[in-house]
Amino acid sequence: KQEVTQIPAALSVPEGENLVLNCSFTDSAIYNLQWFRQDPGKGLTSLLLIQSSQREQTSGRLNASLDKSSGRSTLYIAASQPGDSATYLCAVRHSNSWGKFQFGAGTQVVVTP
Amino acid sequence: EAGVAQSPRYKIIEKRQSVAFWCNPISGHATLYWYQQILGQGPKLLIQFQNNGVVDDSQLPKDRFSAERLKGVDSTLKIQPAKLEDSAVYLCASSLDPDREETQYFGPGTRLLVL
Repeated sequence: KQEVTQIPAALSVPEGENLVLNCSFTDSAIYNLQWFRQDPGKGLTSLLLIQSSQREQTSGRLNASLDKSSGRSTLYIAASQPGDSATYLCAVRHSNSWGKFQFGAGTQVVVTP
Repeated sequence: EAGVAQSPRYKIIEKRQSVAFWCNPISGHATLYWYQQILGQGPKLLIQFQNNGVVDDSQLPKDRFSAERLKGVDSTLKIQPAKLEDSAVYLCASSLDPDREETQYFGPGTRLLVL
């Protein structure tokens, strides 16, 4: 059974500092991995999706890397801003599942002005 | 483009009562998901529909939870009877087709408190 772990559970950084969020998964037979953002009282918003054949994806200040063999993905957020404060979740789709994602518990990020 | 709509946004009930949640996915999205998110945890898939057929309901507690998607559009999720441990946020998501686009679009969720 796929287990998805995110460490740390919470993180506080001053504005301008780079953020590094980690996601690990136990079964490397994944189809893709997706990073989401969740604001309090709201649903999830997709940030980046990395296919299993890719090593990284970038969008603006966000960069996500994937190392399938070691079961790890990292989300980098450059030059953090208070508006980046949210919970970030990673989700893994197994090769045998169709559209079904296994989520980690998330990392709660606070960026202080 | 309108997003995924859910109602109600909040619900408070007593244990053993029944409750129903409604979801309207993005127009044209064939796949619909219901997730349960307990405080401090990631969302857990309860049921996945493709049009009006069930693709995966392996984690749905079928003795008390039921879901339907009539005509392949709107969906309702029902809990009867509710237990204290059902207190959670229930998220609905939709996607165009997992074989064509993986991105799932989430609604704001329904926050359920069972007393």
